Amino acid sequence: AQSVTQPDIHITVSEGASLELRCNYSYGATPYLFWYVQSPGQGLQLLLKYFSGDTLVQGIKGFEAEFKRSQSSFNLRKPSVHWSDAAEYFCAVGADRDDKIIFGKGTRLHILP
Amino acid sequence: EAQVTQNPRYLITVTGKKLTVTCSQNMNHEYMSWYRQDPGLGLRQIYYSMNVEVTDKGDVPEGYKVSRKEKRNFPLILESPSPNQTSLYFCASSWLSNTEAFFGQGTRLTVV
Repeated sequence: AQSVTQPDIHITVSEGASLELRCNYSYGATPYLFWYVQSPGQGLQLLLKYFSGDTLVQGIKGFEAEFKRSQSSFNLRKPSVHWSDAAEYFCAVGADRDDKIIFGKGTRLHILP
Repeated sequence: EAQVTQNPRYLITVTGKKLTVTCSQNMNHEYMSWYRQDPGLGLRQIYYSMNVEVTDKGDVPEGYKVSRKEKRNFPLILESPSPNQTSLYFCASSWLSNTEAFFGQGTRLTVV
């Protein structure tokens, strides 16, 4: 069965600094990969997704993620964070032979002024 | 506007008093699901529905019921709520089970 691991529960970065949130997945076939963001008091919103093709995908709000099959990773990056990026981020994996998406436990991002 | 609407947003109830949380989507999606979110546990799927009249258990179905009589609606029913069901609940819909999910705003339930 597929699984998703987000190793960092909390991450703190200064405003303007770069960001990388880690995500590792476990699945035998090519996965469908997603990053979602949850702002305080809100539902989850899709940032970006990877199904196939170019392994570097661009998303909304200046985020990007890179699929690395050899490392089973799909890390989320942003070159310069803004205070409004403070939120919880969820990585998720699906596959064409499964009936659901599996979510990681989330990484809470804190931004220092 | 494409959206998933949950009601109510906040609910405080007493142990044993039946309640229903409604969920409606306007995107004609086939797949709908319910999740609960608890600190340190992330999102856990309660029930899902592949289509009208087709529902199945997720990872944590105990104490919950669902129905899918119409494509757009997928209510979550707690027949006899208990304090361990205090949580933040999300409804989501998508075209397929493994594609982009659209989430409702969430329902914060407290059972006392």
